[in-house]
Amino acid sequence: KQEVTQIPAALSVPEGENLVLNCSFTDSAIYNLQWFRQDPGKGLTSLLLIQSSQREQTSGRLNASLDKSSGRSTLYIAASQPGDSATYLCAVRPWGAQKLVFGQGTRLTINP
Amino acid sequence: DTEVTQTPKHLVMGMTNKKSLKCEQHMGHRAMYWYKQKAKKPPELMFVYSYEKLSINESVPSRFSPECPNSSLLNLHLHALQPEDSALYLCASSQDTGGSYEQYFGPGTRLTVT
Repeated sequence: KQEVTQIPAALSVPEGENLVLNCSFTDSAIYNLQWFRQDPGKGLTSLLLIQSSQREQTSGRLNASLDKSSGRSTLYIAASQPGDSATYLCAVRPWGAQKLVFGQGTRLTINP
Repeated sequence: DTEVTQTPKHLVMGMTNKKSLKCEQHMGHRAMYWYKQKAKKPPELMFVYSYEKLSINESVPSRFSPECPNSSLLNLHLHALQPEDSALYLCASSQDTGGSYEQYFGPGTRLTVT
């Protein structure tokens, strides 16, 4: 059974810092991995999708990497801003499954 | 346009009420999903529709009844709910249920059962 873990559960950093969020998964048989952002009480915004054959994806100040063999992904946020404060969720799509398996999320706070 | 819309944004209902949640997408996607998210927890899959047919029911109680009247619309009919059903209900869509496709989520309906 696929399990996804995100550490840390919460992170607080001053504005302007570069930071890394971690995601690990137990089974490397996946189609892809998605990173989402969720603001309190809101829906999920897809940030980046990495297919299993890819190593990384970039969008603006965000860079996500995928190491399928070790079951790890990282989301790198450059030059953090208070507007980046949110919960970040990673999710994998296991082979043969139609659903996403989510981690518990990392609650990120950027202090001005 | 990568938008999934959901109505209503908020819903308060009693345990004897019948209500419906609505989800709409105009991206031509043929797979649509309902997820339930409790506070401070990740979303959990409830139902998957593929080409307007129910393909997955994750052992959801019958008081939740999904419906897909056409390829753009997904409804979730609610009846005789319990207070523990209070949660954020999220709709998502993807091009189809194939594994490589990205899922796009709507803003959710915040449901409170009194």
